[in-house]
Amino acid sequence: GAVVSQHPSRVICKSGTSVKIECRSLDFQATTMFWYRQFPKQSLMLMATSNEGSKATYEQGVEKDKFLINHASLTLSTLTVTSAHPEDSSFYICSANPSGGTDTQYFGPGTRLTVL
Amino acid sequence: DAKTTQPPSMDCAEGRAANLPCNHSTISGNEYVYWYRQIHSQGPQYIIHGLKNNETNEMASLIITEDRKSSTLILPHATLRDTAVYYCIVRSGIQGAQKLVFGQGTRLTINP
Repeated sequence: GAVVSQHPSRVICKSGTSVKIECRSLDFQATTMFWYRQFPKQSLMLMATSNEGSKATYEQGVEKDKFLINHASLTLSTLTVTSAHPEDSSFYICSANPSGGTDTQYFGPGTRLTVL
Repeated sequence: DAKTTQPPSMDCAEGRAANLPCNHSTISGNEYVYWYRQIHSQGPQYIIHGLKNNETNEMASLIITEDRKSSTLILPHATLRDTAVYYCIVRSGIQGAQKLVFGQGTRLTINP
C-alpha cells in the first residue's frame, strides 16, 4: 500500500514552453501533497505544499506564478513549470500523506526535467 | 523542527549490520525521528520512524537513546541494494505540521 506515482518520469522540452507533471496517490486519499526539487548532488528542497481544494503554500524563494500547483482531487496534484528555462532542469519529486492516517509521507519516483 | 547531524558517508561490508548514527540534540518532546533513504535517481523511500521507544520493522531497526538526543538506524544484514543516501529527519508530531526538511544525509556504500 501507500503507492505514489508520477507522470511523466522523464521530459525534455524547449526553453519557453510549459511542462505539467502529475502526482497521483494510487491506493489512498491525500488531502495534502508536497512538491520537492532536487539538483544534482544536492538534497531535496521543499517547493510547496499542495492542499486539496485550496491554494498551495509556497516556500520562500519559490515563484508561485512560475510553478503552478493544482490539487483538484484527493488523489491528484499537478505541478506546471511555466515558461521553463535551462535553470529549471531538475529532478522533481512529489510526496503524499494519507488522509486520516499517520503523518508518514510517501514519495513518488520523481520526474527528470531537462530544458534545452 | 530540530536539526539533525549525520556523517556524510559510511561503508559497510555486504552481509554485515550497517549502523547509521544521527544526532538530534535539540529534539523536543513531541518530535518524531523519521528515516528515509534515496537510491540514485529515485524518490525517497520511507524506512521507519519512532518517538522514544525502539522500533523494528521488516526493513530496519531504530534505536533511540533514552535522552532522545541521538538515534541509530540498523540494517541487520546489508545487501548491495541497500547502497543509498539515508536521511534522518526530525519532525513535529502535531497534526498539520507535516513538512519534511531534508539535510545532506549519509551516503551508505555496501561493498561486496
